[in-house]
Amino acid sequence: AQSVTQLDSQVPVFEEAPVELRCNYSSSVSVYLFWYVQYPNQGLQLLLKYLSGSTLVKGINGFEAEFNKSQTSFHLRKPSVHISDTAEYFCAVSSYTGRRALTFGSGTRLQVQP
Amino acid sequence: DGGITQSPKYLFRKEGQNVTLSCEQNLNHDAMYWYRQDPGQGLRLIYYSQIVNDFQKGDIAEGYSVSREKKESFPLTVTSAQKNPTAFYLCASRTVGYNEQFFGPGTRLTVL
Repeated sequence: AQSVTQLDSQVPVFEEAPVELRCNYSSSVSVYLFWYVQYPNQGLQLLLKYLSGSTLVKGINGFEAEFNKSQTSFHLRKPSVHISDTAEYFCAVSSYTGRRALTFGSGTRLQVQP
Repeated sequence: DGGITQSPKYLFRKEGQNVTLSCEQNLNHDAMYWYRQDPGQGLRLIYYSQIVNDFQKGDIAEGYSVSREKKESFPLTVTSAQKNPTAFYLCASRTVGYNEQFFGPGTRLTVL
């Protein structure tokens, strides 16, 4: 079984400030890790993914995340946010085999203020 | 332009009615998934299908049914047995050998 915990339900931040959205996971098997973004009333768009290799992964829109196996974390970061980054962000995991469905965290609402 | 389409965008249902949500993809993906999203919660898996004519229950399948007669299509029926169907429904697909899922724009279902 897998579970994902997003530690902050809302993160307010001022424009051009750095931000970190936290994600921890639990799994009895090895997993792939993902961050998705959702704008209001839309589907999900993939920001970045960790499959293997370098633990620092870069994604779209200037986002990056670092996989920490010992802490079972996959925190998302951006050095300078824009108003347009205001959205809901979801961390998710999937197993290597089997149904490969995504198990999601409950989401973090990033609110960028001018 | 390849992608996933879902229709309708908004759907209203009276209690006791069955409704069907459409999901079509032209990405030539083998696997397709249905997720349900409720406010303040992440997405939860309803059903999935990894090949045509085969599908499996997810974590919250009660009150839902699906079919997979064509590779491109994976419709979801919300039956009257689903006690609280008001939610945002998202369809996704994935190709064999890859774990990344692509999502459709969603259907918002409201029970009147």
